[in-house]
Amino acid sequence: NAGVTQTPKFRILKIGQSMTLQCTQDMNHNYMYWYRQDPGMGLKLIYYSVGAGITDKGEVPNGYNVSRSTTEDFPLRLELAAPSQTSVYFCASSSAGGSKTDTQYFGPGTRLTVL
Amino acid sequence: AQKVTQAQTEISVVEKEDVTLDCVYETRDTTYYLFWYKQPPSGELVFLIRRNSFDEQNEISGRYSWNFQKSTSSFNFTITASQVVDSAVYFCALQLRVTGNQFYFGTGTSLTVIP
Repeated sequence: NAGVTQTPKFRILKIGQSMTLQCTQDMNHNYMYWYRQDPGMGLKLIYYSVGAGITDKGEVPNGYNVSRSTTEDFPLRLELAAPSQTSVYFCASSSAGGSKTDTQYFGPGTRLTVL
Repeated sequence: AQKVTQAQTEISVVEKEDVTLDCVYETRDTTYYLFWYKQPPSGELVFLIRRNSFDEQNEISGRYSWNFQKSTSSFNFTITASQVVDSAVYFCALQLRVTGNQFYFGTGTSLTVIP
């Protein structure tokens, strides 16, 4: 039972480069999320999706793009990497939502450094 | 404006002591969710609880309990008989439904349980 997987675990980018952070879940969850966590801080929501083909911006979407062509996958794209995007990125998923017992599952995170 | 405040930056307790982590939130919305997450030193994120704004019942799960009080906009988390494995950073978060599932995290409370 893999849960939520993220690749890569670590990445160093040069300013202006692009990359895609991969996120896959095998729990058939409708809701998926991308967060970033800066050192010593809580998480900030970048983008979320409530189902295949539906995405929306979170609190800090600038500099990122997402797509959700399948229920399982929710990749996050950085088009022109900037030092301000140095952070740890977490992907998460949950079921339809609204239930008291609804659990949110997180991936292990991707540590990105932009130099 | 939405906001989550965790005023306790760091707490140290001796093993077997009880400890309460405070969380105060601000929102004008009447429909929202509150969360607690645990982030151990290994860095992964663990979902602990989700509570909706219409359910003020206190929750107990083993050594963990949560006290939700709308009158004071607080959602406090108590660990009873703390153990070394409880050492982690704990985050409180607010999720709004009206504005499209925006998440707001507190800055976290670092708990150290001393053996």
